[in-house]
Amino acid sequence: AQSVAQPEDQVNVAEGNPLTVKCTYSVSGNPYLFWYVQYPNRGLQFLLKYITGDNLVKGSYGFEAEFNKSQTSFHLKKPSALVSDSALYFCAVRRLTGAGSYQLTFGKGTKLSVIP
Amino acid sequence: NAGVTQTPKFRVLKTGQSMTLLCAQDMNHEYMYWYRQDPGMGLRLIHYSVGEGTTAKGEVPDGYNVSRLKKQNFLLGLESAAPSQTSVYFCASSYGTSGMAETQYFGPGTRLLVL
Repeated sequence: AQSVAQPEDQVNVAEGNPLTVKCTYSVSGNPYLFWYVQYPNRGLQFLLKYITGDNLVKGSYGFEAEFNKSQTSFHLKKPSALVSDSALYFCAVRRLTGAGSYQLTFGKGTKLSVIP
Repeated sequence: NAGVTQTPKFRVLKTGQSMTLLCAQDMNHEYMYWYRQDPGMGLRLIHYSVGEGTTAKGEVPDGYNVSRLKKQNFLLGLESAAPSQTSVYFCASSYGTSGMAETQYFGPGTRLLVL
């Protein structure tokens, strides 16, 4: 079954420091991976996705993610954290349903707190 | 261009009551989805639709029904609400071209409390 795991419920980082939010995946075939962010009392917003090609994917708000096939990981990174980056981050993987359509399976989320 | 909108924003129900959550999108998307979000559980897919007039079950469909009579609207119904359905409900939509990795666009959510 296609799944993702986010091993950390919470990540704390000081403002200005680099941040990493971890995601590992388990898929058969080529993975299609996504990162979404949820600010308090808001819906999810798309950050970036990996389909194929360059292992380093750049997304919105200065975020990037590194796809590592040997480690089955897709970690989200940012060189310098901002207080406004504090939010809940979700990793997701595309999976094929029995009905022949594609859906997303989400991880449980990681709460990022950037400390001033 | 409003994107994905949801009504109501917040609702309190008593056990056994019914209600309908409305989702609307103005992006001409084919696919629409209903998720629920619970603490420590991430998002779980309830039902989805791959086009007007179609619906399909997701991971946690029990206790919910859906309808997609118009392309831009996707309704989620609770016929007899239970406390276990207390949650935040999100609607999403995507272009949904088969075989493509499509970005989903989310609404702001509906908070439902069932007493």
